[in-house]
Order: sequence, then structure tokens, then C-alpha cells
Amino acid sequence: EIVMTQSPATLSASPGERVTLSCRASQTLSHILAWYQQKPGQAPRLLIYDASTRASGVPARFSGSGFGTEFTLTISSLQSEDSAIYYCQQYSNWPLTFGGGTKVEI
Amino acid sequence: QLQLVQSGPEVEKPGTSVRVSCTASGFTFSNSVIHWVRQARGQRLEWIAWIVVGSGHTNSAQNFQDRITLSRDMSTGTAYMELNSLTSEDTAVYYCAAGITGTAFNWFDAWGQGTQVTVSS
Repeated sequence: EIVMTQSPATLSASPGERVTLSCRASQTLSHILAWYQQKPGQAPRLLIYDASTRASGVPARFSGSGFGTEFTLTISSLQSEDSAIYYCQQYSNWPLTFGGGTKVEI
Repeated sequence: QLQLVQSGPEVEKPGTSVRVSCTASGFTFSNSVIHWVRQARGQRLEWIAWIVVGSGHTNSAQNFQDRITLSRDMSTGTAYMELNSLTSEDTAVYYCAAGITGTAFNWFDAWGQGTQVTVSS
């Protein structure tokens, strides 16, 4: 099973700041990685797939990068509505696995 | 738009079964893959299983292989998950999620709203 490790566990930042979230895989994934945003009491929402492709309707301030085992999600200018937990997910190998999440506090 | 609507909360006793439904709209159900994911309180998301809607082929994580049944009704665009031999450790919010490209190894384009399953005596 591929283990996904996210850091930091919690991140506190101010509106307008640029923040970077990290995700590391225990085995190489090529570019087969997605990012999701989950707000309290809500289902996750797809932000990024194939490591760097923004999903439909996702604001341009969200961007993804990385390849192999190291990936990042960047929010270029943090907005108050970005307060959430962010999860990475690999869909390269069975079983599909998620990281433990990074909680972004604003 | 893509939408998945799940059935309501369930309370079950240990040793029994639960069935959760997931009704799709806004995309071609027959070309999709429906995944099931759960999240215990404060825990990470855990992938449970998938069903390739067109073929009916299923696959599940090792922890669930002997007690989960996935099915779908093409006429209503609904997928079902039945989990047997429930224990308190199965208490969680259960989500269905859809990959609309038709391949199982894919990202999840849409999620249901979640179904709270509580296992308690």
C-alpha cells in the first residue's frame, strides 16, 4: 500500500498570504495525484488532478505541482473561504490512498 | 452539474448490515466508476471499494473484501453499498464518489453529501 504523508498538519496564515502544502508518497506516482478541499460538515471537493490540472470551477489561486514522490499545493493569495482541510490522494496503485490532511486556518 | 445524492443516516446494531444508496445525475452513469470512501470522526479518508458501472466489475480494499457488496441499478442511476458484520469501528460518514472518465484508477470528480452510519448496541 502506498502511504501518503502530508505536512504540515496545521498551517495558520493571514488573508493574502501565499501558502504551500506538501504531500509525499512512499512510492513513485508519476503525476497520478489529486488534491481535495474539505470544509467542516461538507464532502470533499476536487481541486487538482494529475498533479497540476485544475478541476472545473476551481479558482486560479490554487495550483499543483510535483512528480514522482513529492507534490505541492499552492494557494497564491489566501482567502477567508479557503479555511479547510486539504487532502492529497494517489490513484496510481491499488488500494487508492489518501494523506492525513493539512488543516489551513485563517 | 455533476451530482450524487445519498440516502439518510443509519443506526445499526453490531453484527448486522447496512445498505447505502447513491443516485447520480448530470453525467453518463453507465460510463462512470462509483467509489465508496469513509471517514471516521477526526480521521483521514479511507477508500473502501469501487464498481465500474458499465461492466459491474467491483474491487475493494483488503479490509472489506469478505463483507462488502456493491451493486448498481442502471435504470435509476443508483449505486448501492452493503456492508455486513458491522462493528463499532465501522461508525463513520460514508461517501460515494464518481470518476466520470470510466477508468477505476482515477480522481473523484464528484462526491455525495455523505451518510452517517452509527453502529451501537
